[in-house]
Amino acid sequence: DGGITQSPKYLFRKEGQNVTLSCEQNLNHDAMYWYRQDPGQGLRLIYYSQIVNDFQKGDIAEGYSVSREKKESFPLTVTSAQKNPTAFYLCASSIARLAGGNYEQYFGPGTRLTVT
Amino acid sequence: SQQGEEDPQALSIQEGENATMNCSYKTSINNLQWYRQNSGRGLVHLILIRSNEREKHSGRLRVTLDTSKKSSSLLITASRAADTASYFCATDAFGNEKLTFGTGTRLTIIP
Repeated sequence: DGGITQSPKYLFRKEGQNVTLSCEQNLNHDAMYWYRQDPGQGLRLIYYSQIVNDFQKGDIAEGYSVSREKKESFPLTVTSAQKNPTAFYLCASSIARLAGGNYEQYFGPGTRLTVT
Repeated sequence: SQQGEEDPQALSIQEGENATMNCSYKTSINNLQWYRQNSGRGLVHLILIRSNEREKHSGRLRVTLDTSKKSSSLLITASRAADTASYFCATDAFGNEKLTFGTGTRLTIIP
């Protein structure tokens, strides 16, 4: 089965703790993305990576960190510096941007993080 | 920043009716995509329309794009209960690898 997996589905943490969300894909996609979704809202881009060992900040990167050591994996760490970390986190991947730039993103099932 | 805004924010229709939702965006785009999200799940890609296309069909879906008005519409014909979901438009600009998502339309199909 090809796809994107995120684990765990639900995650609970105490305020002040760092937490790492897992994202793995076996689609052989070069690009991977992390989004945050708040209730009734659209998706906001946290970080993205077009290639292994390289990543760029999205619109709301503060308080988050990522790594891209393997093509298949793009973990997201929510640090204690993130002021409002409770949210639904979605990971996505796509093939490398083609000439002409059209692509679709494939999404994982999401991780719902609750920080108290 | 969110480029797109869907309209209406919420829509309820009877099963079998057609559903139309609209997306407006602010800056010139390369492509526009529509995605569906069932409650508490990830997004699923529905259709992509390029900036030089005006209309595209996929099964019961029809998407139009009017770049002069910076708007797109998604029509779902002969709606089914399984179409109940939130629908998002997403745009990308020339030279920009990022997708920018709208705020979504929540569609409810009443059996």
